[in-house]
Amino acid sequence: DIQLTQSPSTLSASVGDRVTISCRASQSVSTWLAWYQQKPGKGPKLLIYKASSLESGVPSRFSGSGSGTDFTLIISSLQPDDFATYYCQQYSSYSTFGQGTKVEIK
Amino acid sequence: QVQLVESGGGVVQPGRSLRLSCAATGFIFSDYGMHWVRQSPGKGLEWLSVIWPDGSNIYYADSVKGRFTISRENTNNTLYLQMNSLRGEDTAVYYCARVRQGYLDFWGQGTPVTVSS
Repeated sequence: DIQLTQSPSTLSASVGDRVTISCRASQSVSTWLAWYQQKPGKGPKLLIYKASSLESGVPSRFSGSGSGTDFTLIISSLQPDDFATYYCQQYSSYSTFGQGTKVEIK
Repeated sequence: QVQLVESGGGVVQPGRSLRLSCAATGFIFSDYGMHWVRQSPGKGLEWLSVIWPDGSNIYYADSVKGRFTISRENTNNTLYLQMNSLRGEDTAVYYCARVRQGYLDFWGQGTPVTVSS
């Protein structure tokens, strides 16, 4: 099974900050990686697919990069609505999620 | 617009069974694969199972293989998850989600399941 490790687990940031979240796979997933945002009591929302493709309707301050085993989600200027938990997902072999990164207010 | 609405969750004793449903509207259900994903209290997301659009292929996570069964009825736009031999560690919110080229582009709001005596 492919394991995904996200870092950090928690991130404290302020509005306007540039935020970087990492996701590392235990073996190559090529670019078959997606990123999701989840807020309390809600289902996750797709942000990025195929490592770097922005889902329709998602603000351009979100971007993704990487291939193989190392991936990054960047929020270029953190907004109040962005305080949430973020998950990566690989879909190269069945599916696996990272353990999540909670972005909280500093 | 795309909507996925899960139902069937509740409180159940260990060893008993429960069947979850996911009603899909706003898209051609029979064109899409579907997943079940769960989230234990305070924990992350755990993928459980996937079913192809026509039901021809089905896969499970090791944690539920042999106990859970995914199925679908394309005639009434509904996805199911039959859960047998439930354990305390199956306590979670269960989500259905639509597959688009492997990633999950729409999710339901989830239905909670509590396994407790």
